[in-house]
Amino acid sequence: AQSVTQLGSHVSVSEGALVLLRCNYSSSVPPYLFWYVQYPNQGLQLLLKYTTGATLVKGINGFEAEFKKSETSFHLTKPSAHMSDAAEYFCAVSDPGGGSQGNLIFGKGTKLSVKP
Amino acid sequence: EPEVTQTPSHQVTQMGQEVILRCVPISNHLYFYWYRQILGQKVEFLVSFYNNEISEKSEIFDDQFSVERPDGSNFTLKIRSTKLEDSAMYFCASSTQGASHYEQYFGPGTRLTVT
Repeated sequence: AQSVTQLGSHVSVSEGALVLLRCNYSSSVPPYLFWYVQYPNQGLQLLLKYTTGATLVKGINGFEAEFKKSETSFHLTKPSAHMSDAAEYFCAVSDPGGGSQGNLIFGKGTKLSVKP
Repeated sequence: EPEVTQTPSHQVTQMGQEVILRCVPISNHLYFYWYRQILGQKVEFLVSFYNNEISEKSEIFDDQFSVERPDGSNFTLKIRSTKLEDSAMYFCASSTQGASHYEQYFGPGTRLTVT
């Protein structure tokens, strides 16, 4: 069965500092990988995804993530944090199998705080 | 920009009561999903729905739960007899396709509190 682990339920960085949010997955086959962001009182919004091809994927708002099969990881980074990045971030996987309806399996989420 | 909407934003109900959570998916989307997040826990898949029938459901989605698309726009989740452990944030999502690599668009959620 697939599972997702996000290390750190709460990460705090200073404005301008590097953001690193960790995600590891457990799956018998490499899954499709997603990062979603949730701002207060809003729905989950897709930041980026990896399905096939280049393992470094770029998303919205300057975020990127790298799929590392050997480490079963898909960590999210941003070189320079902005106050508007404060939100909760969810890593998710889905089964790439042909019979899948795309159901997402989520991690617990990491709340990012940005200090001025 | 089109978005998924959910009503109500917060629902308080007594144990044993029926609740209906409502969602309006994006209009040209064909696949619909419900997820829930109990406070402090992971977002969990409940059910997917396509062509007026359930495509997949998780073990959480037992006989107390049902989904319906009563008209061309709404997608509802009914909990027949709520339990305390049903207290959670419920998210609706929709997608143009059901394949795993297609983006799911999420609503803002309904917070259900069962007392």
